[in-house]
Amino acid sequence: AQKVTQAQTEISVVEKEDVTLDCVYETRDTTYYLFWYKQPPSGELVFLIRRNSFDEQNEISGRYSWNFQKSTSSFNFTITASQVVDSAVYFCALRLLRGGSEKLVFGKGTKLTVNP
Amino acid sequence: DTAVSQTPKYLVTQMGNDKSIKCEQNLGHDTMYWYKQDSKKFLKIMFSYNNKELIINETVPNRFSPKSPDKAHLNLHINSLELGDSAVYFCASSHGDRRGPQHFGDGTRLSIL
Repeated sequence: AQKVTQAQTEISVVEKEDVTLDCVYETRDTTYYLFWYKQPPSGELVFLIRRNSFDEQNEISGRYSWNFQKSTSSFNFTITASQVVDSAVYFCALRLLRGGSEKLVFGKGTKLTVNP
Repeated sequence: DTAVSQTPKYLVTQMGNDKSIKCEQNLGHDTMYWYKQDSKKFLKIMFSYNNKELIINETVPNRFSPKSPDKAHLNLHINSLELGDSAVYFCASSHGDRRGPQHFGDGTRLSIL
């Protein structure tokens, strides 16, 4: 099966807490890409990060950091010192290549609520 | 400045009607997509077009017919709308050579009465 599992359906934290969103994937492809998207209450989908399967370096962008571990098929996302504006649904996605095109297979999303 | 734009943003209509959603991108991408997000927020691909050619059709009912007049446009026409078609439909685009991520439009919320 080629799928993405986000086991946490909803998470609620208080502002300034750190929070980690889990993502576990399954794929039989040897080359693949993983993504995180944010969907704020306004509904649009915002691209956050892309990581390819050859690059296991962790990445940090401001308060956001990502931990990619092929050994456990995980691509977790941590928000440090969370803010109310981080409240959104976060999706992890796996890109599969098919017939000259590609498609994203999304996890079911984790709804993060950051309370003041 | 909008990269991927969809119209309309909201669409409310009755069962049995036919409706269209338009999508345009100004990013110079040659691949475009339609995704459906259901009431539980689950996102699933419907179609993918590369250079106006249909590449992916994920067992979508043939009441849904995508049309790509050129690389910058991918429209979605839906015939005989059913209650289960109520969802948010997202258009997206990317480079065909897989450089970079897919960029999404703001979505069209379709409500069937």
